[in-house]
Amino acid sequence: RKEVEQDPGPFNVPEGATVAFNCTYSNSASQSFFWYRQDCRKEPKLLMSVYSSGNEDGRFTAQLNRASQYISLLIRDSKLSDSATYLCVVTEYSSASKIIFGSGTRLSIRP
Amino acid sequence: DVKVTQSSRYLVKRTGEKVFLECVQDMDHENMFWYRQDPGLGLRLIYFSYDVKMKEKGDIPEGYSVSREKKERFSLILESASTNQTSMYLCASSWDRGNQPQHFGDGTRLSIL
Repeated sequence: RKEVEQDPGPFNVPEGATVAFNCTYSNSASQSFFWYRQDCRKEPKLLMSVYSSGNEDGRFTAQLNRASQYISLLIRDSKLSDSATYLCVVTEYSSASKIIFGSGTRLSIRP
Repeated sequence: DVKVTQSSRYLVKRTGEKVFLECVQDMDHENMFWYRQDPGLGLRLIYFSYDVKMKEKGDIPEGYSVSREKKERFSLILESASTNQTSMYLCASSWDRGNQPQHFGDGTRLSIL
């Protein structure tokens, strides 16, 4: 089983729709979680950190479910400019910290 | 805003050449990382550094080395470039070892002919 798994997609949704995707992680010792967005042929950019209580930034909501070991990203009222690949990042802490990137979920918003 | 600058956006080199990729960050971050990204494989960690003159191997260090002589600069070296090292190379820096997010440079698209 991969340490961090994402559905690769693509998710193809109409503009204005709500879309959500999950990221599962295998190590219960994982402590820090982030969502990044990556446009085609560009570098990943931080979208938001994921806090235990869940957090929201405008149209974006991130949730953490420790019991089931997954994080989620919800995008409301999707825009054409939301089309990108969304990467989840998980940090494990044991003898040394280890930062693990998911392979990404591709999202395409159609007019 | 954190600025991570990679020396080249696009680079073409020949098999067997020694290749240097440079990365500079302006936020006094102690932690710096080199990744490569290939279609279907995601981001893979090559080397990282938690302090000046300190380096640790990541998941795929073979064929690479690094240098961190100054805090702001982290260099990736391909000792003898091979075609399977054609890839997108991404440098990142962060305040700590994982509690804080990483900030990435624009990436270097390297082609080895």
